[in-house]
Amino acid sequence: QQPVQSPQAVILREGEDAVINCSSSKALYSVHWYRQKHGEAPVFLMILLKGGEQKGHEKISASFNEKKQQSSLYLTASQLSYSGTYFCGTEIDNFNKFYFGSGTKLNVKP
Amino acid sequence: SAVISQKPSRDICQRGTSLTIQCQVDSQVTMMFWYRQQPGQSLTLIATANQGSEATYESGFVIDKFPISRPNLTFSTLTVSNMSPEDSSIYLCSVLSAYEQYFGPGTRLTVT
Repeated sequence: QQPVQSPQAVILREGEDAVINCSSSKALYSVHWYRQKHGEAPVFLMILLKGGEQKGHEKISASFNEKKQQSSLYLTASQLSYSGTYFCGTEIDNFNKFYFGSGTKLNVKP
Repeated sequence: SAVISQKPSRDICQRGTSLTIQCQVDSQVTMMFWYRQQPGQSLTLIATANQGSEATYESGFVIDKFPISRPNLTFSTLTVSNMSPEDSSIYLCSVLSAYEQYFGPGTRLTVT
């Protein structure tokens, strides 16, 4: 039930863009995105719900293709603070249980 | 939002012993979760703990090894029983508040 996440790692210069993908073999109710910095807990970034609703805190955009059960996180004009490991968490059928992808390590350099 | 604290933050334990990890939330929440995360790896759901009912365990995790208590809406414990070096990991609790999942700082467990 673990979603597949890609790429495994990305190196960017400040101001560059990146896309992180997450796909599931199961029909999804929602997709969450998190960022985790080294030695810290994951921090919620955004939720995308079946039906098109989205909620998030930061100026980060994402999409959810319900037909393909795929989500993408778009990091534009990256900043140094964007560095960390990004995880998608997928929820099946509103069971309120989340299965996490393997993570994408993002390194933004000056 | 929800603020979560965990105790202990880290511990080194001997093989065969047990450790109980506490998770305290600053607000009442229905659903709490326990995860395990190897350093540099993804998060693996151990169980879901709802107040007033038995915890629901994921495949590969059993109650005898990871008993969970959920006595009220702000507190939960996870016990790692009869530990082996394979149990060395970071254990995190989390809560669901509205649509958002908040994580505790984690408990880093090393079993020798």
